[in-house]
Amino acid sequence: EAGVAQSPRYKIIEKRQSVAFWCNPISGHATLYWYQQILGQGPKLLIQFQNNGVVDDSQLPKDRFSAERLKGVDSTLKIQPAKLEDSAVYLCASSPWDGLKGYTFGSGTRLTVV
Amino acid sequence: LAKTTQPISMDSYEGQEVNITCSHNNIATNDYITWYQQFPSQGPRFIIQGYKTKVTNEVASLFIPADRKSSTLSLPRVSLSDTAVYYCLVGDNQAGTALIFGKGTTLSVSS
Repeated sequence: EAGVAQSPRYKIIEKRQSVAFWCNPISGHATLYWYQQILGQGPKLLIQFQNNGVVDDSQLPKDRFSAERLKGVDSTLKIQPAKLEDSAVYLCASSPWDGLKGYTFGSGTRLTVV
Repeated sequence: LAKTTQPISMDSYEGQEVNITCSHNNIATNDYITWYQQFPSQGPRFIIQGYKTKVTNEVASLFIPADRKSSTLSLPRVSLSDTAVYYCLVGDNQAGTALIFGKGTTLSVSS
């Protein structure tokens, strides 16, 4: 079974620039999540999709972050404009709508804002 | 989701058994205890899940006492490759429940 694919693997941008991350979940997984992981901390949930609808985006800084999941498959997460504190690893995960043990995470995109 | 408390870090040597304890005093009746492992530069991956008593798989064992207010992840005979961050999560196992991570326990295994 193919894993969760994310790109790019690394990204360096200047503050106030925009950036987008892409995620391709495991085929058939209904639920997709974006997490932000700052160095030394556990992943923080940003947004949860069920198919192409948003289930929870309460932790997403909506003034600068946006996410979409068109056709209930791939997803993109965008930051515009970026701030220094957005430097982190952005992890995408998918699950088959099956509780806490079914998550599969991608390797993440490491964002550095300078 | 119930709040969890686990040690920030632990050190061990190759070949030893490692036990990581997680406290979850406010665990609800419907909650399960789930552990994830995260290697550097990778996303977390599922290790083990349990509701009560003992669960064992090819990677680890999970011990849960009768009151379920704590749990212990046991890693037998660790190797250098077990160096990782281990997260204890507690929540109901219903479809769509999101994983909410704490800081986890950083396990360092030395030779």
